[in-house]
Amino acid sequence: SQTIHQWPATLVQPVGSPLSLECTVEGTSNPNLYWYRQAAGRGLQLLFYSVGIGQISSEVPQNLSASRPQDRQFILSSKKLLLSDSGFYLCAWKTGLTGTEAFFGQGTRLTVV
Amino acid sequence: LAKTTQPISMDSYEGQEVNITCSHNNIATNDYITWYQQFPSQGPRFIIQGYKTKVTNEVASLFIPADRKSSTLSLPRVSLSDTAVYYCLVGPVGSSYKLIFGSGTRLLVRP
Repeated sequence: SQTIHQWPATLVQPVGSPLSLECTVEGTSNPNLYWYRQAAGRGLQLLFYSVGIGQISSEVPQNLSASRPQDRQFILSSKKLLLSDSGFYLCAWKTGLTGTEAFFGQGTRLTVV
Repeated sequence: LAKTTQPISMDSYEGQEVNITCSHNNIATNDYITWYQQFPSQGPRFIIQGYKTKVTNEVASLFIPADRKSSTLSLPRVSLSDTAVYYCLVGPVGSSYKLIFGSGTRLLVRP
């Protein structure tokens, strides 16, 4: 069966520090991969999505970046965090052949202090 | 991508049936309609997906009229554990779908 792993679960980082969140998927090949951010009490904001290795589409201009070095690995990064980067970060995957059924990781709660 | 409109919030009581409607006037021919449920501090979870008419699973039913410009998620006999945010998504089959979530409907089930 397919599983998605996202870590760490919680993270407290000072302003100006770098960030690296990793997401891996098992049990499937060539998935679509997504990074979302959710502010407290708000909806999900799509940050990046990828349909293949090295293919990254950015939805929101900001100081975050994403990379997909392997088929089932998706990394969210920042060189210098801002206070506004705080939030709940979620990774998700879906197959490229089906409709809109996506599967989400457990999320990372990031607090920038 | 078809834009969706849902009520911001709804209240209900345990044991009642809850119907959440989503409007998607610009739905395209190859778009599917999918509903997700999200609990606090968790990622959304797929509930149900449909293209037309009615779809039913062990969790919910999805009603889609002939013009497909709206859809209704029906939760039978809700319990306190159904308190969550419910999202309606509309999008096509295939790799190009960006999976955009709206603001969702915050459902509060009271005892």
